[in-house]
Amino acid sequence: DAKTTQPPSMDCAEGRAANLPCNHSTISGNEYVYWYRQIHSQGPQYIIHGLKNNETNEMASLIITEDRKSSTLILPHATLRDTAVYYCIVRVGLNNDMRFGAGTRLTVKP
Amino acid sequence: ETGVTQSPTHLIKTRGQQVTLRCSSQSGHNTVSWYQQALGQGPQFIFQYYREEENGRGNFPPRFSGLQFPNYSSELNVNALELDDSALYLCASSLYGGRGEKLFFGSGTQLSVL
Repeated sequence: DAKTTQPPSMDCAEGRAANLPCNHSTISGNEYVYWYRQIHSQGPQYIIHGLKNNETNEMASLIITEDRKSSTLILPHATLRDTAVYYCIVRVGLNNDMRFGAGTRLTVKP
Repeated sequence: ETGVTQSPTHLIKTRGQQVTLRCSSQSGHNTVSWYQQALGQGPQFIFQYYREEENGRGNFPPRFSGLQFPNYSSELNVNALELDDSALYLCASSLYGGRGEKLFFGSGTQLSVL
């Protein structure tokens, strides 16, 4: 059972920022939030992760609210190749028990 | 490209048979995790291997078992296959080091049980 809630689908115009929300209201203080994406018929691809502070890398930015009950993944300039299912995941415990939910299907349109 | 390779890419078995899936981890990684992904759903954690021992398991029965070898490659074995075992099986490798680990997934093995 996933510890996160995401909208099932979102659209975004090519070149615009895509903002994908995630609720994780039951997250514990030492549990990380991870984002992965999965393009059809491929394995999930790591995007970014964080604990408390906002994070940025070459792919995306992760904004975590101060109470840590929700976060937003930002793709600053979406391209058609960003069309995928995006998973927001809370990692439970010390092993790689990543609780994937159903994710958000992001469609980037020309 | 993550450097994680899985074989075979596709497999067809009949109910009651046994299957072995293989995974080569990314260079430098010492931990392998296995996931099952049913059609239209997110991946579900099966188990994790570190230092050739299972050190975490999801809600899967004992007929799902695994091995990790000294070179950190891994096998997933499923006995007494059931129709519901039809799924994409994903292997992920990582460097064990606490809660900030990144998982690198292979492209998976598509298993069909008839």
